[in-house]
Amino acid sequence: LAKTTQPISMDSYEGQEVNITCSHNNIATNDYITWYQQFPSQGPRFIIQGYKTKVTNEVASLFIPADRKSSTLSLPRVSLSDTAVYYCLVGDEPAGTALIFGKGTTLSVSS
Amino acid sequence: DTEVTQTPKHLVMGMTNKKSLKCEQHMGHRAMYWYKQKAKKPPELMFVYSYEKLSINESVPSRFSPECPNSSLLNLHLHALQPEDSALYLCASSPGRGLAKGDTQYFGPGTRLTVL
Repeated sequence: LAKTTQPISMDSYEGQEVNITCSHNNIATNDYITWYQQFPSQGPRFIIQGYKTKVTNEVASLFIPADRKSSTLSLPRVSLSDTAVYYCLVGDEPAGTALIFGKGTTLSVSS
Repeated sequence: DTEVTQTPKHLVMGMTNKKSLKCEQHMGHRAMYWYKQKAKKPPELMFVYSYEKLSINESVPSRFSPECPNSSLLNLHLHALQPEDSALYLCASSPGRGLAKGDTQYFGPGTRLTVL
């Protein structure tokens, strides 16, 4: 399993763009990169997943450079409700196995 | 329906009690998972069922016993727990096609367990 490293915490203000970078230096050829969001006392929620280049959905964008040794989750115009823990996960297990969560990044958004 | 449901939401039990946590999904997923999460820590994998067969048991103590009656249901039977087992227990499901094909997990809201 590829190990991931993220900043422990980040602070932002409402309306700003937030970029959270995750390092995964030993990512394997077939590994996908997945990001989850978790609010206190709730289960993690899938945000976005990608393999290479850029992926965008209604919530976020995921930027993956050509060497795939890192990835950046971009949250446009954050609001107070985006205050949460964000986990970056990398893995290529066969069906039925699971991802190992790293320590995550606690994002605090202020007004 | 993209929801994973868990019951009960809260559970308080003594160290001699026997209780069960329940998880259900109707997304047609073939893989289901139990995680344990302590406060301010990431979720830790406990068990994985793939196509109703236990495929991963991360050396969890025998006082936790999983059961997968069918592809939609997952139970976690609890017996003789310790106070340190108090945590948020999360259930998740995924299509089961593997991450190489973009498999992703959907989590339930969790059961907050307190062991006295």
